[in-house]
Amino acid sequence: EAGVVQSPRYKIIEKKQPVAFWCNPISGHNTLYWYRQNLGQGPELLIRYENEEAVDDSQLPKDRFSAERLKGVDSTLKIQPAELGDSAVYLCASSLDHGGRHNEQFFGPGTRLTVL
Amino acid sequence: AQSVAQPEDQVNVAEGNPLTVKCTYSVSGNPYLFWYVQYPNRGLQFLLKYITGDNLVKGSYGFEAEFNKSQTSFHLKKPSALVSDSALYFCAGGAAGNKLTFGGGTRVLVKP
Repeated sequence: EAGVVQSPRYKIIEKKQPVAFWCNPISGHNTLYWYRQNLGQGPELLIRYENEEAVDDSQLPKDRFSAERLKGVDSTLKIQPAELGDSAVYLCASSLDHGGRHNEQFFGPGTRLTVL
Repeated sequence: AQSVAQPEDQVNVAEGNPLTVKCTYSVSGNPYLFWYVQYPNRGLQFLLKYITGDNLVKGSYGFEAEFNKSQTSFHLKKPSALVSDSALYFCAGGAAGNKLTFGGGTRVLVKP
Protein backbone atom coordinates (compact mmCIF):
# COMPACT_ATOMS: atom_id res chain seq x y z
CA GLU A 1 0.00 0.00 0.00
CA ALA A 2 1.38 3.39 -0.97
CA GLY A 3 1.96 5.85 1.82
CA VAL A 4 1.20 9.54 1.94
CA VAL A 5 2.78 11.24 -1.04
CA GLN A 6 3.97 14.83 -0.98
CA SER A 7 5.56 17.01 -3.59
CA PRO A 8 7.84 18.73 -4.01
CA ARG A 9 10.28 17.42 -1.41
CA TYR A 10 12.28 20.63 -1.42
CA LYS A 11 11.47 24.18 -2.46
CA ILE A 12 13.59 27.31 -2.39
CA ILE A 13 11.92 30.62 -3.16
CA GLU A 14 12.49 34.30 -2.58
CA LYS A 15 10.30 36.16 -0.15
CA LYS A 16 7.06 37.55 -1.52
CA GLN A 17 6.84 34.73 -4.06
CA PRO A 18 3.97 32.23 -4.02
CA VAL A 19 4.46 28.53 -3.33
CA ALA A 20 2.20 25.49 -3.35
CA PHE A 21 2.49 22.04 -1.82
CA TRP A 22 0.59 18.97 -2.86
CA CYS A 23 -0.48 15.92 -0.86
CA ASN A 24 -2.03 12.61 -1.83
CA PRO A 25 -3.23 10.75 1.27
CA ILE A 26 -3.53 7.02 1.78
CA SER A 27 -6.45 5.65 -0.20
CA GLY A 28 -9.64 5.56 1.85
CA HIS A 29 -8.44 7.89 4.60
CA ASN A 30 -11.11 10.45 5.32
CA THR A 31 -9.07 12.81 7.48
CA LEU A 32 -6.19 14.87 6.13
CA TYR A 33 -3.88 17.16 8.08
CA TRP A 34 -1.34 19.82 7.18
CA TYR A 35 1.32 20.51 9.79
CA ARG A 36 4.25 22.90 9.96
CA GLN A 37 7.38 21.70 11.68
CA ASN A 38 10.12 24.13 12.58
CA LEU A 39 13.62 22.87 13.16
CA GLY A 40 13.94 21.04 16.46
CA GLN A 41 10.25 21.34 17.28
CA GLY A 42 7.15 19.20 17.10
CA PRO A 43 4.62 19.50 14.29
CA GLU A 44 1.97 22.20 14.66
CA LEU A 45 -1.41 21.72 13.05
CA LEU A 46 -2.33 24.19 10.33
CA ILE A 47 -5.55 22.66 9.08
CA ARG A 48 -7.53 19.44 9.38
CA TYR A 49 -10.02 18.14 6.83
CA GLU A 50 -12.70 15.56 7.28
CA ASN A 51 -13.50 14.57 3.72
CA GLU A 52 -13.92 17.90 1.90
CA GLU A 53 -14.69 19.97 4.99
CA ALA A 54 -12.07 21.94 6.86
CA VAL A 55 -13.04 21.20 10.46
CA ASP A 56 -10.14 22.95 12.16
CA ASP A 57 -8.28 25.81 10.50
CA SER A 58 -7.85 27.93 13.60
CA GLN A 59 -4.05 27.87 13.32
CA LEU A 60 -3.92 28.67 9.60
CA PRO A 61 -2.66 32.24 8.91
CA LYS A 62 -5.48 33.05 6.57
CA ASP A 63 -4.02 36.30 5.32
CA ARG A 64 -1.39 34.40 3.34
CA PHE A 65 -2.15 30.69 3.63
CA SER A 66 -4.91 28.81 1.86
CA ALA A 67 -5.75 25.16 1.43
CA GLU A 68 -8.19 23.04 -0.43
CA ARG A 69 -9.16 19.40 -0.61
CA LEU A 70 -11.18 18.86 -3.72
CA LYS A 71 -13.31 15.73 -3.86
CA GLY A 72 -12.07 14.77 -0.44
CA VAL A 73 -8.85 13.19 -1.69
CA ASP A 74 -5.81 15.24 -2.74
CA SER A 75 -5.02 18.49 -1.06
CA THR A 76 -2.95 21.57 -1.80
CA LEU A 77 -1.55 24.11 0.61
CA LYS A 78 -0.59 27.52 -0.75
CA ILE A 79 1.36 30.44 0.64
CA GLN A 80 1.10 33.80 -1.04
CA PRO A 81 3.21 35.79 -0.49
CA ALA A 82 5.86 33.81 1.36
CA GLU A 83 7.80 35.41 4.22
CA LEU A 84 11.18 34.53 5.68
CA GLY A 85 9.49 33.07 8.76
CA ASP A 86 7.64 30.53 6.64
CA SER A 87 10.81 28.49 6.19
CA ALA A 88 9.96 25.11 7.71
CA VAL A 89 9.01 21.56 6.82
CA TYR A 90 5.38 21.19 5.80
CA LEU A 91 4.00 17.78 6.64
CA CYS A 92 0.87 16.15 5.35
CA ALA A 93 -0.77 13.29 7.23
CA SER A 94 -3.90 11.20 6.84
CA SER A 95 -5.95 8.91 9.02
CA LEU A 96 -9.18 6.95 9.05
CA ASP A 97 -11.29 8.42 11.84
CA HIS A 98 -14.85 7.83 12.95
CA GLY A 99 -17.02 9.66 15.43
CA GLY A 100 -14.31 11.89 16.81
CA ARG A 101 -11.99 9.03 17.68
CA HIS A 102 -8.32 9.55 16.93
CA ASN A 103 -6.61 6.83 14.98
CA GLU A 104 -2.95 6.85 14.09
CA GLN A 105 -1.90 9.40 11.55
CA PHE A 106 0.31 8.39 8.65
CA PHE A 107 2.75 11.09 7.64
CA GLY A 108 4.31 11.94 4.33
CA PRO A 109 8.01 12.78 4.01
CA GLY A 110 7.31 16.51 4.06
CA THR A 111 8.26 19.48 1.92
CA ARG A 112 11.21 21.49 3.16
CA LEU A 113 10.61 25.13 2.29
CA THR A 114 13.38 27.68 2.34
CA VAL A 115 12.45 31.32 1.87
CA LEU A 116 15.38 33.59 0.99
CA ALA B 1 -6.02 24.28 26.39
CA GLN B 2 -4.44 20.89 26.02
CA SER B 3 -0.68 20.46 26.13
CA VAL B 4 1.98 17.79 25.85
CA ALA B 5 5.41 18.14 27.38
CA GLN B 6 8.61 16.22 26.80
CA PRO B 7 10.94 17.46 29.53
CA GLU B 8 14.16 16.09 28.05
CA ASP B 9 15.62 17.51 24.85
CA GLN B 10 18.02 14.60 24.55
CA VAL B 11 18.47 11.18 26.10
CA ASN B 12 21.76 9.33 25.86
CA VAL B 13 21.92 5.61 26.52
CA ALA B 14 24.36 2.81 25.89
CA GLU B 15 23.35 0.03 23.54
CA GLY B 16 21.71 -2.81 25.42
CA ASN B 17 20.60 -0.60 28.29
CA PRO B 18 16.98 0.30 29.01
CA LEU B 19 15.62 3.39 27.27
CA THR B 20 12.97 5.70 28.69
CA VAL B 21 11.59 8.82 27.01
CA LYS B 22 9.32 10.92 29.19
CA CYS B 23 6.00 12.53 28.30
CA THR B 24 3.38 14.30 30.37
CA TYR B 25 0.06 15.60 29.15
CA SER B 26 -2.78 17.93 30.02
CA VAL B 27 -5.95 16.86 28.21
CA SER B 28 -9.57 17.23 29.23
CA GLY B 29 -11.41 13.99 29.74
CA ASN B 30 -10.03 10.71 28.51
CA PRO B 31 -6.92 11.31 26.42
CA TYR B 32 -5.77 9.75 23.19
CA LEU B 33 -1.99 9.39 23.41
CA PHE B 34 0.54 8.50 20.74
CA TRP B 35 4.25 8.07 20.22
CA TYR B 36 5.91 8.74 16.88
CA VAL B 37 9.53 8.44 15.75
CA GLN B 38 11.23 10.58 13.13
CA TYR B 39 14.40 9.65 11.29
CA PRO B 40 16.41 12.29 9.38
CA ASN B 41 14.64 13.61 6.30
CA ARG B 42 11.70 11.31 6.91
CA GLY B 43 8.14 11.81 8.03
CA LEU B 44 6.93 10.72 11.43
CA GLN B 45 6.30 7.02 11.90
CA PHE B 46 3.69 5.68 14.29
CA LEU B 47 4.99 3.60 17.20
CA LEU B 48 2.04 3.03 19.50
CA LYS B 49 -1.14 4.53 20.91
CA TYR B 50 -3.27 4.51 24.04
CA ILE B 51 -7.02 5.01 23.84
CA THR B 52 -8.55 2.86 26.56
CA GLY B 53 -7.82 -0.44 28.24
CA ASP B 54 -4.56 -1.73 29.57
CA ASN B 55 -2.22 0.90 30.90
CA LEU B 56 0.76 -0.85 29.31
CA VAL B 57 0.70 -0.49 25.55
CA LYS B 58 2.98 -2.47 23.28
CA GLY B 59 4.03 -1.11 19.93
CA SER B 60 6.43 -1.46 17.05
CA TYR B 61 10.14 -2.33 17.23
CA GLY B 62 9.95 -3.56 20.83
CA PHE B 63 8.73 -0.26 22.26
CA GLU B 64 6.07 0.01 24.93
CA ALA B 65 4.52 2.85 26.89
CA GLU B 66 2.84 3.08 30.25
CA PHE B 67 -0.21 5.25 30.76
CA ASN B 68 -0.37 6.70 34.27
CA LYS B 69 -3.54 8.68 34.86
CA SER B 70 -2.63 9.94 38.32
CA GLN B 71 0.69 11.32 37.09
CA THR B 72 -0.71 12.32 33.66
CA SER B 73 2.25 10.61 32.05
CA PHE B 74 2.81 8.37 29.05
CA HIS B 75 6.49 7.41 29.09
CA LEU B 76 7.98 5.43 26.22
CA LYS B 77 10.22 2.51 27.12
CA LYS B 78 12.38 -0.11 25.52
CA PRO B 79 14.10 -2.79 27.61
CA SER B 80 17.25 -2.98 25.49
CA ALA B 81 18.14 -0.09 23.18
CA LEU B 82 19.75 -0.50 19.77
CA VAL B 83 22.00 1.94 17.93
CA SER B 84 19.31 2.03 15.23
CA ASP B 85 16.86 3.47 17.78
CA SER B 86 18.73 6.76 17.59
CA ALA B 87 16.15 9.23 16.29
CA LEU B 88 13.76 11.99 17.29
CA TYR B 89 10.75 10.87 19.31
CA PHE B 90 7.48 12.76 19.62
CA CYS B 91 4.65 12.28 22.07
CA ALA B 92 1.20 13.51 21.03
CA GLY B 93 -2.14 13.71 22.78
CA GLY B 94 -5.63 15.04 22.46
CA ALA B 95 -9.24 14.62 23.46
CA ALA B 96 -11.82 12.97 21.25
CA GLY B 97 -12.84 15.32 18.47
CA ASN B 98 -9.96 17.71 19.16
CA LYS B 99 -6.70 18.09 17.35
CA LEU B 100 -3.59 16.24 18.48
CA THR B 101 -0.99 18.34 20.23
CA PHE B 102 2.62 17.26 19.80
CA GLY B 103 5.40 17.62 22.31
CA GLY B 104 8.63 19.33 21.40
CA GLY B 105 10.45 16.08 20.76
CA THR B 106 13.27 14.18 22.46
CA ARG B 107 16.39 13.22 20.61
CA VAL B 108 17.61 9.76 21.53
CA LEU B 109 21.23 8.85 21.02
CA VAL B 110 22.18 5.23 21.55
CA LYS B 111 25.92 4.72 21.73
CA PRO B 112 27.59 1.43 20.80
